[in-house]
Amino acid sequence: AQSVSQHNHHVILSEAASLELGCNYSYGGTVNLFWYVQYPGQHLQLLLKYFSGDPLVKGIKGFEAEFIKSKFSFNLRKPSVQWSDTAEYFCAVNFKAAGNKLTFGGGTRVLVKP
Amino acid sequence: GAVVSQHPSWVICKSGTSVKIECRSLDFQATTMFWYRQFPKQSLMLMATSNEGSKATYEQGVEKDKFLINHASLTLSTLTVTSAHPEDSSFYICSARTPSIEQYFGPGTRLTVT
Repeated sequence: AQSVSQHNHHVILSEAASLELGCNYSYGGTVNLFWYVQYPGQHLQLLLKYFSGDPLVKGIKGFEAEFIKSKFSFNLRKPSVQWSDTAEYFCAVNFKAAGNKLTFGGGTRVLVKP
Repeated sequence: GAVVSQHPSWVICKSGTSVKIECRSLDFQATTMFWYRQFPKQSLMLMATSNEGSKATYEQGVEKDKFLINHASLTLSTLTVTSAHPEDSSFYICSARTPSIEQYFGPGTRLTVT
């Protein structure tokens, strides 16, 4: 079965530090890749997505992600975080072979200290 | 971006009763909606895929007679938890998929069964 794994469950960092969250997925043919963010008490919001083309994708709020096909990875990055980036981040993969259903990673809780 | 609403946002019910949760796509038509369950501090688990005009497709291990899904129109899907038990207490989240296969998520419904 297709699976998505996020390497870090919890990340704590200070403002202005750089952030990188790992995401790997199992082989499953054609994929579309997403990062979602869930701020405390709010619903999931789409940060960015990759469908095709340039493997370096820029999203909202200064986030970017790089798709490395050979490594089955789609890591999320932000050069300088703010306190308001405190949230839970979910990597999700749409495996075409699985009927275009999203499979979520376990999520990473990010706490940015002011 | 697209907006998805859920109603109610929070419901408390007695064991043995049934609860209906609505999911609406407010500004786009969604032939496919999804229902997820999220346990505390965990990721989203797909329960079922709701297709307008046809029967829902349930994930392995999800009781279709317990979690009734009806996709009555292109903007509305409902999830009815029948004969609810305390172990059904959870956070239920729906999403609606656009024609470009992006999913937009509702704010979730917290169900507490006493």
